[in-house]
Amino acid sequence: QKEVEQDPGPLSVPEGAIVSLNCTYSNSAFQYFMWYRQYSRKGPELLMYTYSSGNKEDGRFTAQVDKSSKYISLFIRDSQPSDSATYLCAMRVAGANSKLTFGKGITLSVRP
Amino acid sequence: IAGITQAPTSQILAAGRRMTLRCTQDMRHNAMYWYRQDLGLGLRLIHYSNTAGTTGKGEVPDGYSVSRANTDDFPLTLASAVPSQTSVYFCASSDGNRVSPLHFGNGTRLTVT
Repeated sequence: QKEVEQDPGPLSVPEGAIVSLNCTYSNSAFQYFMWYRQYSRKGPELLMYTYSSGNKEDGRFTAQVDKSSKYISLFIRDSQPSDSATYLCAMRVAGANSKLTFGKGITLSVRP
Repeated sequence: IAGITQAPTSQILAAGRRMTLRCTQDMRHNAMYWYRQDLGLGLRLIHYSNTAGTTGKGEVPDGYSVSRANTDDFPLTLASAVPSQTSVYFCASSDGNRVSPLHFGNGTRLTVT
């Protein structure tokens, strides 16, 4: 079993839809959870960062962490064509210089 | 604008040739990383450096080498390229503490023929 599993996609939704992106993980030592967004032919950029169970909201984006179920989600409300990108979950254990473990990414397309 | 600069942006390389991918950051970050990204495999760590003068092996280090002579530069060298090294290569940096995110460059698309 991979340490981090991400829904493979691709995912296509109409503009205005609510999008739910999910990752599961097996390593209970993961403490810090991130979502990166990657536009075509660009490097990933940090979208959301959480380090505790619960929800974190930033505009139309909500990151949710459930450590008991080893499950994280990213919700996008009122999705826009500009949200079309690949979304990667990432996580790391506590401790200096710990390395990020990435999910494989899911490509989202928002249709006008 | 502060960030990471990678060069070249793309390259076609004959198998057996030597190639160095360049990476420079101007954020004075301690830690730097090299990833390769392949369809269906995601991002995989090749090598990393926690601070200038030190390097370490990641998940897929074979066929690659790195050096970290100073804080800003972290070149990745393919000593003798093979077709399986065809990929998109991303350099990243962070300030090294446990809550700091990675900042990525825009990648080098390498094709080995």
